[in-house]
Amino acid sequence: EADIYQTPRYLVIGTGKKITLECSQTMGHDKMYWYQQDPGMELHLIHYSYGVNSTEKGDLSSESTVSRIRTEHFPLTLESARPSHTSQYLCASSEWADINQPQHFGDGTRLSIL
Amino acid sequence: GNSVTQMEGPVTLSEEAFLTINCTYTATGYPSLFWYVQYPGEGLQLLLKATKADDKGSNKGFEATYRKETTSFHLEKGSVQVSDSAVYFCALSDVQGAQKLVFGQGTRLTINP
Repeated sequence: EADIYQTPRYLVIGTGKKITLECSQTMGHDKMYWYQQDPGMELHLIHYSYGVNSTEKGDLSSESTVSRIRTEHFPLTLESARPSHTSQYLCASSEWADINQPQHFGDGTRLSIL
Repeated sequence: GNSVTQMEGPVTLSEEAFLTINCTYTATGYPSLFWYVQYPGEGLQLLLKATKADDKGSNKGFEATYRKETTSFHLEKGSVQVSDSAVYFCALSDVQGAQKLVFGQGTRLTINP
């Protein structure tokens, strides 16, 4: 059973607010990822990390930022939320050593910006 | 670049029907292939995987065979249940660079009693 946790599960907030979405995993995985999932279900990689102090932009440009100060923690921040940021955000992690190992996903944060 | 194409949904079947969800891919090298499932309100869960040509992944009655000659990884189940209603994603691992997953667009499956 994967142990990766995202908080909050749901967030409704006004435009212009600063938001941090939390993601933690207890598996000691080096690699972590953030995906944005649109209403049409498609997944877009927006950030990933190889390990502590490593962060990379994903395939889809995003105004969000991430940090990786501890192995287990990979928060995503929006400095000034806009309605266009409304989406579901999924965090995932995987082992570094074996490329055939799957990614483990959290349950997601559904974000609505009013 | 690498890509995954899935059968378009939504797919609606009756309980105990046979299921096939088609998945084809384009990739350089020899990627691993995955099927993930997303139940309502949840994140993705690994359903099955195959790491090399002719491998068959299986789990919970679902099967998929890694076919290099047709670049396919079709998902099948002989008799679906209402509890199988979910969104299914085919994916491949990008074995180069960042070792990212490349996902298909997802197929929504609804099983009626």
